[in-house]
Amino acid sequence: KNQVEQSPQSLIILEGKNCTLQCNYTVSPFSNLRWYKQDTGRGPVSLTIMTFSENTKSNGRYTATLDADTKQSSLHITASQLSDSASYICVVSARTNAGKSTFGDGTTLTVKP
Amino acid sequence: DAGVTQSPTHLIKTRGQQVTLRCSPKSGHDTVSWYQQALGQGPQFIFQYYEEEERQRGNFPDRFSGHQFPNYSSELNVNALLLGDSALYLCASSLGGGGFYTGELFFGEGSRLTVL
Repeated sequence: KNQVEQSPQSLIILEGKNCTLQCNYTVSPFSNLRWYKQDTGRGPVSLTIMTFSENTKSNGRYTATLDADTKQSSLHITASQLSDSASYICVVSARTNAGKSTFGDGTTLTVKP
Repeated sequence: DAGVTQSPTHLIKTRGQQVTLRCSPKSGHDTVSWYQQALGQGPQFIFQYYEEEERQRGNFPDRFSGHQFPNYSSELNVNALLLGDSALYLCASSLGGGGFYTGELFFGEGSRLTVL
């Protein structure tokens, strides 16, 4: 069964600090992995998308890494801001039935002043 | 360039009633996927529409049905509402539905359904 597990479930950091969120998956055969940011009560917004051949991708202060061998990904946030407070969702798609992308339950990040 | 739009944004229904949610995809997109997101959980895939047909379906009962129109917009219908159907319903659009999609999903802001 395809699964995506994220850790930690929640995280509190001080403004200006860095943090790293983890995503482990068992989706096979792997197609791509995406990280989304979801503000409370809003729709998810894409941060990065990585395919099998990519191991790092950046989007401003967000840097995602992918290790396809260990089936792990991380999202690193640098110099956090209050507006980074949100849920971060890892989504993994298989090369078949890609419409049934498997979503993690997300990591809730709270950035405090 | 209009993104994905959903309506209504919020609605309240009672058990046993029926509800219809609507979605207009991002300009140029032809595929619409629907998701149910309970509080504190990740979105759960309901189904995907492409070329006016349901192409893929998640583990949801037949009470959940949908439709896609020639202009690519879509509706999600839920019959005989249960308390457990209370959730944020998200619509996502993409291009080129089918089995080997590798592109990006663009989400709407969602429709918050409360069942009393």
